[in-house]
Amino acid sequence: NAGVTQTPKFQVLKTGQSMTLQCAQDMNHNSMYWYRQDPGMGLRLIYYSASEGTTDKGEVPNGYNVSRLNKREFSLRLESAAPSQTSVYFCASPGQGRSYEQYFGPGTRLTVT
Amino acid sequence: GQSLEQPSEVTAVEGAIVQINCTYQTSGFYGLSWYQQHDGGAPTFLSYNALDGLEETGRFSSFLSRSDSYGYLLLQELQMKDSASYFCALLNSGGYQKVTFGTGTKLQVIP
Repeated sequence: NAGVTQTPKFQVLKTGQSMTLQCAQDMNHNSMYWYRQDPGMGLRLIYYSASEGTTDKGEVPNGYNVSRLNKREFSLRLESAAPSQTSVYFCASPGQGRSYEQYFGPGTRLTVT
Repeated sequence: GQSLEQPSEVTAVEGAIVQINCTYQTSGFYGLSWYQQHDGGAPTFLSYNALDGLEETGRFSSFLSRSDSYGYLLLQELQMKDSASYFCALLNSGGYQKVTFGTGTKLQVIP
C-alpha cells in the first residue's frame, strides 16, 4: 500500500516547454488535489477533483490543466512553463469523510529557467 | 475568503514545551488541522479540532477557540526530530470541503 505516489521527483524545464506531473493513489479515495508550495507562502490549491470525472479550479489555476483519468490517477499539465511556476508540487488525497486529513505524495520539485 | 497567520520561526530547547499559534479569518469553517513537514519532505497530518478545546495525541496537543479565532499546537518534551515546519489549516465550509493552509512556522529545536 504505497498511499500517494508522484512522478517525477525532480524536473528542470526551459520557459515555454510543457510537461505533465503524474499522481496516483491506491487508497480508493474519491477526492484528489494538486497544491504548489513556495517559500513563505504555505500550500496553495491549484485544482481539485471531488470524484472521478470531475475537476474544479482552486486558488491558483492559471497556467495549469488537470485530468482525472480514473479513480486512481490525477495529472497536472503545464502547457507552456514560466519561471513563476518554479515550485514544489504536491498531490494529496483526503480520507473518506475526513477532508481535514490529507495524505500527501512525496512532491515534484520543478525548476523553470 | 480565508486567511491564517502563524509566526514564521520559533526556537526552543530540547526537552522543553513550545506553543505554535495560529490566528485566522474565515467566513465559515468546520475545523482546524495541523500538519508537520520536515525539510525536503511532504506534509503529514498531526491533529484536528472540530470543537473548541484541547485535543491530545501523545506529546502533541492542539487547541481551538472559535470565539477568539485562534488555535495553537503544543509540543511537549521536545526532541531534535521535532525540528520541522508546522502548518495550521482550515477545513472550509460552504460548497466543496477545501482546505486552506497557513504560511507555516519553522521550529528549530536546539540542544
